[in-house]
Amino acid sequence: DTGVSQDPRHKITKRGQNVTFRCDPISEHNRLYWYRQTLGQGPEFLTYFQNEAQLEKSRLLSDRFSAERPKGSFSTLEIQRTEQGDSAMYLCASSPDRAVRNTEAFFGQGTRLTVV
Amino acid sequence: GDSVTQMEGPVTLSEEAFLTINCTYTATGYPSLFWYVQYPGEGLQLLLKATKADDKGSNKGFEATYRKETTSFHLEKGSVQVSDSAVYFCALPPNSGYALNFGKGTSLLVTP
Repeated sequence: DTGVSQDPRHKITKRGQNVTFRCDPISEHNRLYWYRQTLGQGPEFLTYFQNEAQLEKSRLLSDRFSAERPKGSFSTLEIQRTEQGDSAMYLCASSPDRAVRNTEAFFGQGTRLTVV
Repeated sequence: GDSVTQMEGPVTLSEEAFLTINCTYTATGYPSLFWYVQYPGEGLQLLLKATKADDKGSNKGFEATYRKETTSFHLEKGSVQVSDSAVYFCALPPNSGYALNFGKGTSLLVTP
């Protein structure tokens, strides 16, 4: 088990371009989360998948953001028409299918996005 | 809704000093409580957890006790090292929904 893997680790893009990030969760974990973290802040929830179903989305997830988990394994997060305010660390996490109130999440190393 | 409140940082300590980072929570019922650590440029790692009242979580010399009476989960370490320099986050699971609720984080800098 190699833990949660995210790719790329760093991405620099020009304003207006589209970017896509990938997350590979721990293999037996059904639950997958995306968070965004800006400098000096804690992670902010973006969206949640149970297997391939996207069950929860934060109001932070504007219509420029879309996430998929097509076969219930890896997930992608796409940002269209990037803005400078999208610059942040994007964190992926996964957790096993146990009682939500007692289960920690396991995080990847994150993708740092810089929009110039 | 359920939430955690952490002490503001940054905290600067000399090596071998005693560390306390305060965390208080508001929750319905008795969820598990977690401390995560984030080293510079990295993602979050689970440091320790406690699953019920009076439980003590411990790892790498860090400890935290789940105190129902004071709704607290303070992080402590008896003797910090330079390698402990990082940002520490208190977290609890949601009452509704699925995503962990994080505190704003406390930055710790340990100097030689």
